Amino acid sequence: QLQLSGPGLVRPSQTLSLTCAISGDSVSSNTAAWNWIRQSPSRGLEWLGRTYYRSKWYNDFAESVKSRISIKSDTSNNQFSLQLNSVTPDDTAVYYCARDVGAPYIALDYWGQGTLVTVSS
Amino acid sequence: VMTQTPLSLSVTPGQPASISCKSSESLLNSDGKTYLYWYLQRPGQSPQLLIYDVYRRFSGVPDRFSGSGSGTDFTLQISRVEAEDVGVYFCMQSFRLKKFGQGTKVEIK
Repeated sequence: QLQLSGPGLVRPSQTLSLTCAISGDSVSSNTAAWNWIRQSPSRGLEWLGRTYYRSKWYNDFAESVKSRISIKSDTSNNQFSLQLNSVTPDDTAVYYCARDVGAPYIALDYWGQGTLVTVSS
Repeated sequence: VMTQTPLSLSVTPGQPASISCKSSESLLNSDGKTYLYWYLQRPGQSPQLLIYDVYRRFSGVPDRFSGSGSGTDFTLQISRVEAEDVGVYFCMQSFRLKKFGQGTKVEIK
């Protein structure tokens, strides 16, 4: 299970921060990857990035947010987080976390419940 | 770019439905696999995986759902639509990071 948490309102130019708590798997699994996706009427479903551990930590990011995004893992609490800097109203969306699993590889097999983040002053 | 057609579909229960997804580039990977997925997002819910690797049904997905295609052209078929199939269907490729289609809204007549 993936449990999302974080503020529902962020001011423009500030940083959006969300956390996804994992149960039933490990953030440092060698066969999983942990993704952030968002959904808005204007952008549809948009994959933002992912983090995964294969003897060391790796990240992949979408070009559209590459300069503003950070995804970090927290092995102590078995969770991972999203930070999106310098937000604008265009970043208003429902944000999801989701898992990729390996052997065999399946992308986004399980999703968290989604949380609406509104960027507004 | 992933392009789905149609964008909406109204289906009589028990009748078939078909959704097309076209990619702007071939999704055939060097490992011989094609990383094309189908998801269903029911009203008020998160997307859920139906099909992976073009045609493989995910655990628990009814066999009335089937996927086909290759290269750049893919299809999701529902052999007999049921009321619980209402929602928005998305295709997605993970050949080059991840990109979703715009979605196809399926409703019951």
